[in-house]
Amino acid sequence: GENVEQHPSTLSVQEGDSAVIKCTYSDSASNYFPWYKQELGKRPQLIIDIRSNVGEKKDQRIAVTLNKTAKHFSLHITETQPEDSAVYFCAASVNAGKSTFGDGTTLTVKP
Amino acid sequence: DAGITQSPRHKVTETGTPVTLRCHQTENHRYMYWYRQDPGHGLRLIHYSYGVKDTDKGEVSDGYSVSRSKTEDFLLTLESATSSQTSVYFCAISEWGGQTNTEAFFGQGTRLTVV
Repeated sequence: GENVEQHPSTLSVQEGDSAVIKCTYSDSASNYFPWYKQELGKRPQLIIDIRSNVGEKKDQRIAVTLNKTAKHFSLHITETQPEDSAVYFCAASVNAGKSTFGDGTTLTVKP
Repeated sequence: DAGITQSPRHKVTETGTPVTLRCHQTENHRYMYWYRQDPGHGLRLIHYSYGVKDTDKGEVSDGYSVSRSKTEDFLLTLESATSSQTSVYFCAISEWGGQTNTEAFFGQGTRLTVV
């Protein structure tokens, strides 16, 4: 089955700095790569996703890159703000919900 | 937010008792999923459904069963709860294939404690 590894497990940055979270996957059949943000006590919510026919996608301060050959994808958050503090999960799947998740990255943005 | 609700939101039960968690959706999505979330393990798929009466196992299915008799409801049952099943359980829905593809929308979660 699919295996997803996510690094780092914790990340602390100063407000305004950039944050990068990286994930690798093992199954070359995976073609959908979502990123979820989970605030304490809340449900995971999609922040951005990318499909395997695209190399990069941006949405304001958030971007995701995908390297299918190397089987890795990354989340980039620029100009971080305190409200970006949360746990971020990457996932890989063949369909949207039957995903294999990484173990999560706890991002702390210090004011 | 997608129309997905879980019940109960919190439950404390004793070891060896049966427990059923309910997920209800109003989006008419074909796919429904049950995940569990434990510290350090992210979200792990327990079971999923791709239609009424069509279900399949995920990576951590031992000790769990599911049923889907209607499009809108997906039930997760712990036949005999154990302390290792203390966790937060999330239901999710999505639509995939055909002309509509959506991301997974998660319910609010159920915190289950087995004592």
